[in-house]
Formats: sequence, C-alpha cells, structure tokens
Amino acid sequence: AQSVTQPDIHITVSEGASLELRCNYSYGATPYLFWYVQSPGQGLQLLLKYFSGDTLVQGIKGFEAEFKRSQSSFNLRKPSVHWSDAAEYFCAVILTGGGNKLTFGTGTQLKVEL
Amino acid sequence: DGGITQSPKYLFRKEGQNVTLSCEQNLNHDAMYWYRQDPGQGLRLIYYSQIVNDFQKGDIAEGYSVSREKKESFPLTVTSAQKNPTAFYLCASKQASNTYEQYFGPGTRLTVT
Repeated sequence: AQSVTQPDIHITVSEGASLELRCNYSYGATPYLFWYVQSPGQGLQLLLKYFSGDTLVQGIKGFEAEFKRSQSSFNLRKPSVHWSDAAEYFCAVILTGGGNKLTFGTGTQLKVEL
Repeated sequence: DGGITQSPKYLFRKEGQNVTLSCEQNLNHDAMYWYRQDPGQGLRLIYYSQIVNDFQKGDIAEGYSVSREKKESFPLTVTSAQKNPTAFYLCASKQASNTYEQYFGPGTRLTVT
C-alpha cells in the first residue's frame, strides 16, 4: 500500500541548533512532495514543495528539503532553529496520476529548548 | 484578503445530533477538501469536490455528508452515524486540476459528548 512515514513522533532541539525531520514514502512512481507546518490549534501552512528539477528545494521561514529518489526520502532541514519554529510538521505526497489525492504522514512534533 | 474561512472555531454537540461545519473560500479555487485530524494519525481525507455539484468520497466518508452547491462553499455534515466524531476538522482548497498545492483553513474543533 502507498504510504508516507515520518519516523520521529517528537523531536527536541536547542534554539540555534540545526534540524532535520525525516520523511520516507513508498510509491512506485514519482510523487509530488510537500512539507506543511501546523501551529497548535491552527490550519496547515505550506513550507515547500518538490515537483521536479533541482532536488534541493528552498521554502519559507528558512527551511529547505532534499529529494533523494534512491532513498525514497524528502527530509526537511533548517540550519538554525528559532523558538518560533516549535510546531507540528507534516510531510505529504501526491502520486502523479493518482487523482491528486494528498496523503499525509503522521507528523513530527518539534519542541525548541531555549 | 483571500483565504479560507471555517466557522465556528469550536463546536460542541450532544451525541445523536447532526452538526454542519462551514467552509468558505474566496480564492476562486475549483477543488475543495475536508480532512479529519486526530492526534498521532495525521490528516485523513473525508470528502472532496473538484467542481460544483460533484463530490467524491475520501478514505473515511462513513458518517459524513457534503454538498457543493456553490464554488466558494463546501459544508460538511457530521451525522449521528459517525461513531467517533470528536476531532479537529480541516477544510482545504486548490486552484485547478493541473495544480497540486492545497491551501488550508484554520480548522474547527468538534467535541461531541
């Protein structure tokens, strides 16, 4: 079955430290890939997306993500985390030709220690 | 400003009552979606609509109903048949069939007791 996996349920980092959130997908075809962020009790905001081309994509708020086809991964990174980055992060995938259905991972809750 | 509005922010109902959640968008988007979010489960698709007067079931449509009489509106009714209706409900929209980014509303938290 098609799926998106975020192996880390919770991650805690110190402010100023680097961050990497993992995302793996299991699809045979090339998917479209997204990262969304959700603050408590709020909707989701799109951070970045990958459709094709350069496998390193830049997003808002200083985030970037790298698509690695060989590893079926799309990990989110930030070189220096700010306290305001504390939120829940969701990786999501659309399988091309799959009716544009967006499939989400279960999310990673990020805590930032001051 | 363009965006997606969901109302109310918090909703409380007694078990056995139907309840309708509102979703309105002024982005002129063609497609609209309803998701349910439970802790530790990510978002799951309930229903979606790609054009007015047409909608399709998502992964967890049982106990829910929708309508799409206007392009800007996609209300979701949680019926008494939904066994575990307490959840956070998110509405989303996107522009057209050849685009992929979905934009989300602020959500409605429904509590049924």
